Amino acid sequence: GAGVSQSPSNKVTEKGKDVELRCDPISGHTALYWYRQSLGQGLEFLIYFQGNSAPDKSGLPSDRFSAERTGGSVSTLTIQRTQQEDSAVYLCASSWSGGARWGEQFFGPGTRLTVL
Amino acid sequence: TQLLEQSPQFLSIQEGENLTVYCNSSSVFSSLQWYRQEPGEGPVLLVTVVTGGEVKKLKRLTFQFGDARKDSSLHITAAQPGDTGLYLCAGVKGGYQKVTFGTGTKLQVIP
Repeated sequence: GAGVSQSPSNKVTEKGKDVELRCDPISGHTALYWYRQSLGQGLEFLIYFQGNSAPDKSGLPSDRFSAERTGGSVSTLTIQRTQQEDSAVYLCASSWSGGARWGEQFFGPGTRLTVL
Repeated sequence: TQLLEQSPQFLSIQEGENLTVYCNSSSVFSSLQWYRQEPGEGPVLLVTVVTGGEVKKLKRLTFQFGDARKDSSLHITAAQPGDTGLYLCAGVKGGYQKVTFGTGTKLQVIP
């Protein structure tokens, strides 16, 4: 079956430009997470969507970052006026909600963002 | 505040050695997961433990959930170069609260 997909796989942009990163979760997964990962480091939580509830945005590092999830499925992470410190791999994950498998996350391959 | 601390942060060992990675918290979790991430890929779920004191084995990997459900360990027997990667624990609390990832342990197994 189809896993989590992310696009683009790589994005190179100039400082100050806006970028949009897309995540297609596994069908039927109601929870969706965005993380950021610098080279060789752990995961930095950005935002969490759960069904129709208001998203948990507590991990967004600045107001330049925003995300939406349309129709409870596809999600887009937008970074405005990109800075060099935004360079990282952005990972999306989706998971089941409810039952014994609650919270088990399936990750996409990530989008590697490079800000020049 | 980091809810889940992993130790060690880095580990470099020879093929065939044993190792243990720890995941500690002051919070109680309803379940705890372990993931492994290889370079250029997203993390992949290895196991979920849900009962205090539970032990699960996956070939040469043994996972244990602490009795109080605040900590967990991953033990690898006779490590192989294919075990190289970033190991992440993740805690799940009750309700629809977000999953919290640990700080990560980077393992290198040298042939």
